[in-house]
Amino acid sequence: GESVGLHLPTLSVQEGDNSIINCAYSNSASDYFIWYKQESGKGPQFIIDIRSNMDKRQGQRVTVLLNKTVKHLSLQIAATQPGDSAVYFCAESRNFGTGTSLTVIP
Amino acid sequence: GAGVSQSPSNKVTEKGKDVELRCDPISGHTALYWYRQSLGQGLEFLIYFQGNSAPDKSGLPSDRFSAERTGGSVSTLTIQRTQQEDSAVYLCASSFDRYEQYFGPGTRLTVT
Repeated sequence: GESVGLHLPTLSVQEGDNSIINCAYSNSASDYFIWYKQESGKGPQFIIDIRSNMDKRQGQRVTVLLNKTVKHLSLQIAATQPGDSAVYFCAESRNFGTGTSLTVIP
Repeated sequence: GAGVSQSPSNKVTEKGKDVELRCDPISGHTALYWYRQSLGQGLEFLIYFQGNSAPDKSGLPSDRFSAERTGGSVSTLTIQRTQQEDSAVYLCASSFDRYEQYFGPGTRLTVT
């Protein structure tokens, strides 16, 4: 069946460094992916999305890369800040990965 | 504008009792989703409503779980004969078609 998974459950980075969060998916027909950020005690919030006809999409301090050949996508956060500490999920439709917990060390 | 709201924010119930959780989606959103999230875990899909189509109930874990969406707007998730393993945060989200979902704050359910 379809699944969306993440490579690492936790990630710690120094403030100011760049963060990279990875995600793998299994359904080659998937055509739309979304990254969400979930802060403690809150529901997930949309960060950025990408369609399968794109390889890269940039937002404010965030970039999503999509590699359809290996069914992999990544979220890059530039100049990571303490406010970026949260759990990050990649999602394809209503399939969510287990999340990566990002901790930013001041 | 107003986001997705859920009520109650917290619910403590005794094992065996029924509970109803409510979700008010963003006005105009055609799709509504329910998820369950256990502590430190990812989101488990439960049910999906899209317009007037039959709901996708494929994620409901047992027949004790049901949901309805009245008038294409408000949705209620009902759990009958609650069990301790039902304890979790129940998240509702709405979206326009299949695009990004807007989540409510969730209902934290504790079954004692």
